[in-house]
Amino acid sequence: DTEVTQTPKHLVMGMTNKKSLKCEQHMGHRAMYWYKQKAKKPPELMFVYSYEKLSINESVPSRFSPECPNSSLLNLHLHALQPEDSALYLCASRSTGSGTEAFFGQGTRLTVV
Amino acid sequence: AQTVTQSQPEMSVQEAETVTLSCTYDTSESDYYLFWYKQPPSRQMILVIRQEAYKQQNATENRFSVNFQKAAKSFSLKISDSQLGDAAMYFCAYRSPTSGTYKYIFGTGTRLKVLA
Repeated sequence: DTEVTQTPKHLVMGMTNKKSLKCEQHMGHRAMYWYKQKAKKPPELMFVYSYEKLSINESVPSRFSPECPNSSLLNLHLHALQPEDSALYLCASRSTGSGTEAFFGQGTRLTVV
Repeated sequence: AQTVTQSQPEMSVQEAETVTLSCTYDTSESDYYLFWYKQPPSRQMILVIRQEAYKQQNATENRFSVNFQKAAKSFSLKISDSQLGDAAMYFCAYRSPTSGTYKYIFGTGTRLKVLA
């Protein structure tokens, strides 16, 4: 199984809503990532979890709250988002060995209205 | 800090022809990893090919090969016998080998169009 599964695939939310994005992998990878990608741009790193602990936070606003409940699951909790937060949110995972590549999910297309 | 540059925002290639996508990078490290990822309209980023900087031999994966010039800090991707399914956004990426380094540094991408 070389899949990273993200749900939902599409999400429309109001600025006062609370929602969560979910990411799951069963490859035994101990590094998991959240990226934000705007149209025609490269992915921008948001968070990295290593062994279920937050390793990197790229100065992301607190309206984005990551959570790694176990080694297979990664969540991104969303609250009070702005329209400019509309983007594709990609999850990725990687084995912590050197030289290994990241495996990406299909992303969640988020629209904030 | 490392940087990755893709100077071709868009490229076109005729089906069955060969195309080369350019990528240059800047780093002071002697060892590192380079990747080409493909992102089709389905949105999922898919690894195309990987190169370890300590290996002099250029990586190849079926129709995909790289021209890795370490001294010139260049890492181009050659796609042979282009197919319609190769149409996608291609991102070049750099990763440091340092233990505990998880960041991938992506270039701005090259959109490849394949003409029938």
